Amino acid sequence: EAQVTQNPRYLITVTGKKLTVTCSQNMNHEYMSWYRQDPGLGLRQIYYSMNVEVTDKGDVPEGYKVSRKEKRNFPLILESPSPNQTSLYFCASSSTWGRVPYGYTFGSGTRLTVV
Amino acid sequence: AQSVTQPDIHITVSEGASLELRCNYSYGATPYLFWYVQSPGQGLQLLLKYFSGDTLVQGIKGFEAEFKRSQSSFNLRKPSVHWSDAAEYFCAVGASTTGNQFYFGTGTSLTVIP
Repeated sequence: EAQVTQNPRYLITVTGKKLTVTCSQNMNHEYMSWYRQDPGLGLRQIYYSMNVEVTDKGDVPEGYKVSRKEKRNFPLILESPSPNQTSLYFCASSSTWGRVPYGYTFGSGTRLTVV
Repeated sequence: AQSVTQPDIHITVSEGASLELRCNYSYGATPYLFWYVQSPGQGLQLLLKYFSGDTLVQGIKGFEAEFKRSQSSFNLRKPSVHWSDAAEYFCAVGASTTGNQFYFGTGTSLTVIP
């Protein structure tokens, strides 16, 4: 089954404790992206990657890191989480058309709470 | 700056009634336009997309949308709503001239009354 797998689904952590949210896709998509979803703000892009070793900032990259060492994996790293990073996070992947994601497949989401 | 606006935060319709969800965009280049749906507790699912060609596009679940360049709009429609259509709907826009970024609107929450 074609899918994007995120882990964990739920995470509660303390301020400053480094964490990684994993994301893996099995569709051989070149384009992968991380979003955060907050009430009233919709989805905001954190980082995206056009291919292996190619990553770029989205609208809200501060406090986040990503890496793309393999095509299928795109982990999101919070080096020193803060309470304002409490949010619902989605990983998504897509084939591309003219370098634009042609139609995302989304993961199920990670609900992160930073206390 | 690029933007996507969904003017309606929340819409309530009766089951069987028609539906139109509004989406307006502000973009310097020819946009690629999308509608996604998010059911409670779920990720987002692609309903339909417009890249080029016929400005009226058909999607899954009986939805359609029309691209109107003169109005900078991409409204989503369905002739007869079902209770299972209750969800959050997001319009999105992308263009290769934006550095490959991709923007979502803030969403419209749809309630369906029996």
